[in-house]
Amino acid sequence: QKEVEQNSGPLSVPEGAIASLNCTYSDRGSQSFFWYRQYSGKSPELIMFIYSNGDKEDGRFTAQLNKASQYVSLLIRDSQPSDSATYLCAAKLYNQGGKLIFGQGTELSVKP
Amino acid sequence: DAGVTQSPTHLIKTRGQHVTLRCSPISGHKSVSWYQQVLGQGPQFIFQYYEKEERGRGNFPDRFSARQFPNYSSELNVNALLLGDSALYLCASSLDAGVISGANVLTFGAGSRLTVL
Repeated sequence: QKEVEQNSGPLSVPEGAIASLNCTYSDRGSQSFFWYRQYSGKSPELIMFIYSNGDKEDGRFTAQLNKASQYVSLLIRDSQPSDSATYLCAAKLYNQGGKLIFGQGTELSVKP
Repeated sequence: DAGVTQSPTHLIKTRGQHVTLRCSPISGHKSVSWYQQVLGQGPQFIFQYYEKEERGRGNFPDRFSARQFPNYSSELNVNALLLGDSALYLCASSLDAGVISGANVLTFGAGSRLTVL
């Protein structure tokens, strides 16, 4: 079992729709969770992080964390073609500062 | 302000050769981490350095080594290159070691793309 798993893509949504990206993790020692966006040929850029159960909103993005179910999600409202990228979910274990455990990524395609 | 800078951006090596990749963190950041990203996969942790000391090591062979300098810049060295070492090597910096804060955020550089022939 992979430590961090993401739903397989590619995920295709029409422009203006809500895109839902999901991630599960196996280690209950995971402390915080990060969503990165990576455009083709580029490096990952941080969208947001979450470490408390519940929802965290930042503009069009909402991260959701459920530690009991070991589940993290990212919702993108009003999806735009510029949101088309690979989204990486990462977990950080307690006491391991620089080590993020990444999932394999989910490719999102937003169609005009 | 300059972000995380990496050099070189692209390089081609042959099997058995050695490579050195360089990274300068964001000004004020004292921690540098290295990741390897193979095409189609998420980044994999290689090393973390904080205040010139190794703070973490991933599941990579001893052919991989790194160090951090007094100015917090860092080098990643890979010896005896294999075809499987072909990947994007990412350097990320953060303010501190991130041991206590769950919100320790890593900022990635543009990466060094290594091709081993």
